[in-house]
Amino acid sequence: AQSVTQLDSHVSVSEGTPVLLRCNYSSSYSPSLFWYVQHPNKGLQLLLKYTSAATLVKGINGFEAEFKKSETSFHLTKPSAHMSDAAEYFCVVSDRAGGFKTIFGAGTRLFVKA
Amino acid sequence: NAGVTQTPKFRVLKTGQSMTLLCAQDMNHEYMYWYRQDPGMGLRLIHYSVGEGTTAKGEVPDGYNVSRLKKQNFLLGLESAAPSQTSVYFCASNPVAGWEKKDYGYTFGSGTRLTVV
Repeated sequence: AQSVTQLDSHVSVSEGTPVLLRCNYSSSYSPSLFWYVQHPNKGLQLLLKYTSAATLVKGINGFEAEFKKSETSFHLTKPSAHMSDAAEYFCVVSDRAGGFKTIFGAGTRLFVKA
Repeated sequence: NAGVTQTPKFRVLKTGQSMTLLCAQDMNHEYMYWYRQDPGMGLRLIHYSVGEGTTAKGEVPDGYNVSRLKKQNFLLGLESAAPSQTSVYFCASNPVAGWEKKDYGYTFGSGTRLTVV
């Protein structure tokens, strides 16, 4: 069965320090994995995606994520947080098992302190 | 700008009233979706469509109907609004191209904030 778990509901960092948002997934087949960002009162925006090419995926705004099959993880990182990174982040898994199905994680709220 | 456009952006309804939310995309995407987002509940799929003329139920379809008469438009209807339908509604589209139906990621609209009083 397909599932996705975002391990932290809230993460707080200081501006200029690294960001780590953790995501574990479960999938019966080779999944596609995504991170989306949602700023307050906005729609979700695709940040980056893994679709069975390179395991280290680079996205917009300096974010990247590494697909680790052995650990079933797809953690999102950024070397240096900026105030504009404050938002909610969603990890998403999608695969063909049982038809085309997409599962959204519950979200991680990122706070960035000045 | 190319993307997904939702109308209206805000709406207040009285219990029992009906309304239609419109979603339009200009990217020629096959798949379209309606989600609702509620505090503490995450995103929940209401209905979706895998192509023009098709619709299917998602996780929380009760109280909603949809239509996809044209590929670029996906309408969400509330026949008799209830306070439990107070939410933010998001439309999304996805190319899902090729025989293997690979997921290339969603493009979301900016949302419709609906309040039912």
